[in-house]
Amino acid sequence: NAGVTQTPKFRILKIGQSMTLQCAQDMNHNYMYWYRQDPGMGLKLIYYSVGAGITDKGEVPNGYNVSRSTTEDFPLRLELAAPSQTSVYFCASRISGQGASGYTFGSGTRLTVV
Amino acid sequence: GNSVTQMEGPVTLSEEAFLTINCTYTATGYPSLFWYVQYPGEGLQLLLKATKADDKGSNKGFEATYRKETTSFHLEKGSVQVSDSAVYFCALSEAKTSYDKVIFGPGTSLSVIP
Repeated sequence: NAGVTQTPKFRILKIGQSMTLQCAQDMNHNYMYWYRQDPGMGLKLIYYSVGAGITDKGEVPNGYNVSRSTTEDFPLRLELAAPSQTSVYFCASRISGQGASGYTFGSGTRLTVV
Repeated sequence: GNSVTQMEGPVTLSEEAFLTINCTYTATGYPSLFWYVQYPGEGLQLLLKATKADDKGSNKGFEATYRKETTSFHLEKGSVQVSDSAVYFCALSEAKTSYDKVIFGPGTSLSVIP
């Protein structure tokens, strides 16, 4: 199993540019999440999805969009990049339902907006 | 709302020293508790978990006990190694009907020196 795969690993964007961060999982998890991690801070939830076709906002959704057309894929879209979006982005997935199961994380995408 | 508080780092220890990283939480109901570890340049990995009061989670020599009376989930290891150098995140999971929200603490950086 590959687990959760994120691409790219690194990216530098100019202010105002757009990009899509890719996330794919092969574990048939129906819950998927996007987090951002800023230095010295915990993870902040951007968006989540409980299944194909169903997405919802987390704590810090402004400036981002998501879609979930398949169980496997959960891309994160940045439309107009801003320096405040410089961060490390993690995608995660988990088994549905109860809180007892933990997450599987991808290895992250380090994004710098200049 | 629910929250997780961790001791501030960074923590620097000599090899074979005893490790304690404090974690306390605020939650309604009965959350599940987790410790995640993030090695340099990697995503978070589940280290251990506990799902009910007095449960002890353990893995790779690390242990943590779910203490409901003190709302704590302190991480301990009897003898740390250089390879344990990483950032450690305490987290709690709230089982909800819409999604299983996970709240992460800010992380504690550990450096182990030979």
